[in-house]
Amino acid sequence: KQEVTQIPAALSVPEGENLVLNCSFTDSAIYNLQWFRQDPGKGLTSLLLIQSSQREQTSGRLNASLDKSSGRSTLYIAASQPGDSATYLCAVDGSGNQFYFGTGTSLTVIP
Amino acid sequence: GAGVSQSPSNKVTEKGKDVELRCDPISGHTALYWYRQSLGQGLEFLIYFQGNSAPDKSGLPSDRFSAERTGGSVSTLTIQRTQQEDSAVYLCASSRDRGRGYTFGSGTRLTVV
Repeated sequence: KQEVTQIPAALSVPEGENLVLNCSFTDSAIYNLQWFRQDPGKGLTSLLLIQSSQREQTSGRLNASLDKSSGRSTLYIAASQPGDSATYLCAVDGSGNQFYFGTGTSLTVIP
Repeated sequence: GAGVSQSPSNKVTEKGKDVELRCDPISGHTALYWYRQSLGQGLEFLIYFQGNSAPDKSGLPSDRFSAERTGGSVSTLTIQRTQQEDSAVYLCASSRDRGRGYTFGSGTRLTVV
């Protein structure tokens, strides 16, 4: 069974700081890895999707990398803003019929 | 539609009643998932539909839970004889095909009192 871990569980940074969120997974046989954000009481919003053949994806201030062989992905957020405050989840789609979520990183950006 | 639509957005029900939760996936998406997120918990897989294939029901927590997908589009998750531990946010996701990334609905918050 795929195990997905996210570190840190919570992170608090001042506005403007660059930050890195980590996601690790145990089974490297994956189709893709997807990063989501979840605001309190809301559903999941997709941020970036990295296919297994790709090394990174970028969208605006976000950059996600994937090292499939070592079972790791990072989400880099540049010049953080208070609006970035949310819980960030990574999801790994691999063998089996479900995709597996990490436990999330709760990010607070302090104005 | 432009996104995945779930209804109702909130549902409060009495213990022992049956509830139906609805998911309208993005048009043309063949893969559909239901997940559950309990307070302070991670996301728990419930069921997976792919086209006309038999669904993967391995995540359903008990036989009180069932789901169907009609015409390869709309899906309904039914919980019979609800219990307090069924209180959670039920999320639906769809994808054009397996491995293409997933779009989630806003969820249905179910409260059993």
